[in-house]
Amino acid sequence: DIQMTQSPSSLSASVGDRVTITCRASQGISNSLAWYQQKPGKAPKLLLYAASRLRSGVPSRFSGSGSGTDYTLTISSLQPEDFATYYCQQSYRNFWTFGQGTKVEFK
Amino acid sequence: EVQLVESGGGLVQPGGSLRLSCEVSGFLVSVNYMSWVRQAPGKGLEWVSIIQSGGSTYYADSVKGRFTISRDESRNTLYLQMNSLRAEDTAVYYCARERRDNYDNINGVDPWGQGTLVTVSS
Repeated sequence: DIQMTQSPSSLSASVGDRVTITCRASQGISNSLAWYQQKPGKAPKLLLYAASRLRSGVPSRFSGSGSGTDYTLTISSLQPEDFATYYCQQSYRNFWTFGQGTKVEFK
Repeated sequence: EVQLVESGGGLVQPGGSLRLSCEVSGFLVSVNYMSWVRQAPGKGLEWVSIIQSGGSTYYADSVKGRFTISRDESRNTLYLQMNSLRAEDTAVYYCARERRDNYDNINGVDPWGQGTLVTVSS
């Protein structure tokens, strides 16, 4: 099974900060990586897929990059509504794996 | 309007069974890849199972042999039959669609249902 190691597990930031979250896969996943945002009591929301493609309607301050085993989610200027937990997910082959999550908290 | 509505959750004793349903509107379950994902209280997301458009099914090791995913085309509904339930199966269970483009490239998981809570406890 492919393991996803996401870091950090939590971070404190202020409005306007640039935030970076990383995910490392235990083997190459050919850009089969998506990022989700989840707020308490709600279902996850898709932000990006195929490592760097922004889902329609998602603000452009969210971006993704990476290849092979290493991937990054960047929020260029953190907004109040962005305080949430973020998950990466690989869908290489037929089995999905999620990262452990990164909780973005207000500093 | 695209919508996924889960139901069937509740309190069940260890060793018991439960069947979750996910009623879908706005697209056909039969031509999409559909999955169940769960989230234990205060924990992260865990993929449970997927049924492909062609009918092939796959399961996480943690539920293999105990859970069965299926669909009913006439009802446009996805199911998860859960047997031999354990305390560690306690979670909110979400159904979701794996988006694919015309070239069969995966475009993330979207939409998701609102989730249904399963509690396994004596």
